Amino acid sequence: AQTVTQSQPEMSVQEAETVTLSCTYDTSESDYYLFWYKQPPSRQMILVIRQEAYKQQNATENRFSVNFQKAAKSFSLKISDSQLGDAAMYFCAYFLIQGAQKLVFGQGTRLTINP
Amino acid sequence: GAVVSQHPSRVICKSGTSVKIECRSLDFQATTMFWYRQFPKKSLMLMATSNEGSKATYEQGVEKDKFLINHASLTLSTLTVTSAHPEDSSFYICSARQGGNTEAFFGQGTRLTVV
Repeated sequence: AQTVTQSQPEMSVQEAETVTLSCTYDTSESDYYLFWYKQPPSRQMILVIRQEAYKQQNATENRFSVNFQKAAKSFSLKISDSQLGDAAMYFCAYFLIQGAQKLVFGQGTRLTINP
Repeated sequence: GAVVSQHPSRVICKSGTSVKIECRSLDFQATTMFWYRQFPKKSLMLMATSNEGSKATYEQGVEKDKFLINHASLTLSTLTVTSAHPEDSSFYICSARQGGNTEAFFGQGTRLTVV
């Protein structure tokens, strides 16, 4: 079974600084997607960024970028120029294209932004 | 992005009663819907996957007779917690996906309190 591990329960960063959240996953498949979701205090899940496993180029979305290392099964999220609104729980998730087609979430990392 | 509406956002019910939670896709046809449970400061735990017009597939350890899921149309899925007990108190989140799309859209969640 696929598993997703986020080894940092909590992280904090100064406003305007850069922070990297770690995520590793375990799979024997080659065709899948990886996601980072943000869950602010409102509890609404918001998609931050998505990476297709077949793409070597790392995905970027404005201040958010990933470091996707397929061989190492690592998928970290970098947030540049951190803003107070970035404070939230961040979940890494794995999606297998074939088979069950369900999201498998990591344990989450709580990110605090210090003003 | 696509909108998924979940209702109610909060519900309090008496122990032994049943409560229904609705999940609607407002601007797309949700061929697959997912129901999650989230404990405080924890990750999302997938309870079941439902495809329109067929029986839901429950994850291991989830009681299908207690958590009834109906996906009667392409825009509506319901989760009914039957004979609720205080230990069923939790945050329940639905998400919906259309056809072959990989992205799933999340509802706002429902906080259930059983007293």
